[in-house]
Amino acid sequence: ETGVTQSPTHLIKTRGQQVTLRCSSQSGHNTVSWYQQALGQGPQFIFQYYREEENGRGNFPPRFSGLQFPNYSSELNVNALELDDSALYLCASSLYNPLGNNEQFFGPGTRLTVL
Amino acid sequence: DAKTTQPNSMESNEEEPVHLPCNHSTISGTDYIHWYRQLPSQGPEYVIHGLTSNVNNRMASLAIAEDRKSSTLILHRATLRDAAVYYCLLISSGSARQLTFGSGTQLTVLP
Repeated sequence: ETGVTQSPTHLIKTRGQQVTLRCSSQSGHNTVSWYQQALGQGPQFIFQYYREEENGRGNFPPRFSGLQFPNYSSELNVNALELDDSALYLCASSLYNPLGNNEQFFGPGTRLTVL
Repeated sequence: DAKTTQPNSMESNEEEPVHLPCNHSTISGTDYIHWYRQLPSQGPEYVIHGLTSNVNNRMASLAIAEDRKSSTLILHRATLRDAAVYYCLLISSGSARQLTFGSGTQLTVLP
């Protein structure tokens, strides 16, 4: 059984650029959530995808967008990068449960630095 | 939206019990309470979850207040490998899912 993988591991961009981060779900999982974790802080929920549609969204502007593919892998796209976007971006996969009591499996994250 | 608060740090001696608190006074009736822990340079790892009743698993116990406005993660015998940042997380039910992490408690285990 393959766990959650994310690519790339590290990324450096300049302000104003666009970035795409990728996540492969754990085998058998159909839901993907994305989080932003600034240094020394807890993860902040960006959005969740289930059946290729956004299933919930945190307090992030529209320049943060995502996709989920038929194989349940996912992308996070961030446009017009700002310095404050520098963070660890975490992806978590799970088996969808309408009650919210499903365990999430996290990947190791992508460290994004915006200069 | 629900909000959670946790102490920044706690210390424990090895082999002693640890009680990690989380306040979630704005929790809604159907939010599940989860706990995760994170080691340096890793993604968070699931520990335990519950709704209203206390829960036990091989890793820990979760005690939920009767009014659900707070919860406590209990590690029965702390080991050096338990040193990590512990987060409580609220997950809403239904569509328009919301997942709210606390700021985390850095647990230091002293030998």
